[in-house]
Amino acid sequence: AQSVTQLDSHVSVSEGTPVLLRCNYSSSYSPSLFWYVQHPNKGLQLLLKYTSAATLVKGINGFEAEFKKSETSFHLTKPSAHMSDAAEYFCVVSAVFSGGYNKLIFGAGTRLAVHP
Amino acid sequence: DTEVTQTPKHLVMGMTNKKSLKCEQHMGHRAMYWYKQKAKKPPELMFVYSYEKLSINESVPSRFSPECPNSSLLNLHLHALQPEDSALYLCASSRFGQSSGGQNTGELFFGEGSRLTVL
Repeated sequence: AQSVTQLDSHVSVSEGTPVLLRCNYSSSYSPSLFWYVQHPNKGLQLLLKYTSAATLVKGINGFEAEFKKSETSFHLTKPSAHMSDAAEYFCVVSAVFSGGYNKLIFGAGTRLAVHP
Repeated sequence: DTEVTQTPKHLVMGMTNKKSLKCEQHMGHRAMYWYKQKAKKPPELMFVYSYEKLSINESVPSRFSPECPNSSLLNLHLHALQPEDSALYLCASSRFGQSSGGQNTGELFFGEGSRLTVL
């Protein structure tokens, strides 16, 4: 069975300081992992994805994540927060089912607040 | 810009009304999804269509009726809803098939959502 745990429900940072959003996963096989971002009253936007290529994944808007199999982690980082980064972030593990569709397992989400 | 388009963005309806949510994508994806998202929660899967056929119904009440008239369109028909059905309804699409040897790397492409309020 697959599962995702986001270790912080809320993270608050000052503008210009680093961001760290933590995610641990459980999967019986090599997973596909994603980070999605959701701004208020918007849909989900894919930030980055890991699909068994490079373990350090670079995404949009300066975000990156490192896949660590030994720690079953996929933490999201950004060197310098911007006010526009304030949003809800979801860590997601995905599986392609035998029927050909994708099933996403969502973490509970982390709300990132950025202060001036 | 999202390539999955949902209409309307906002919908207010009474419990006796019949309305529909619409979703369109032109990425050639053959899997399409409906999710329901309540405030401060992750999205919950409702339905999955693969090649225009219903593959998954996550025990959704019959007052929600999905329809996939062609490979680009997905509708969600609403009838006799309850106030607790008020939520953000998200449509998504994805490539189809097993990841090995194909282009499907497991992600979904989401629309902006339709905010539904049931009075």
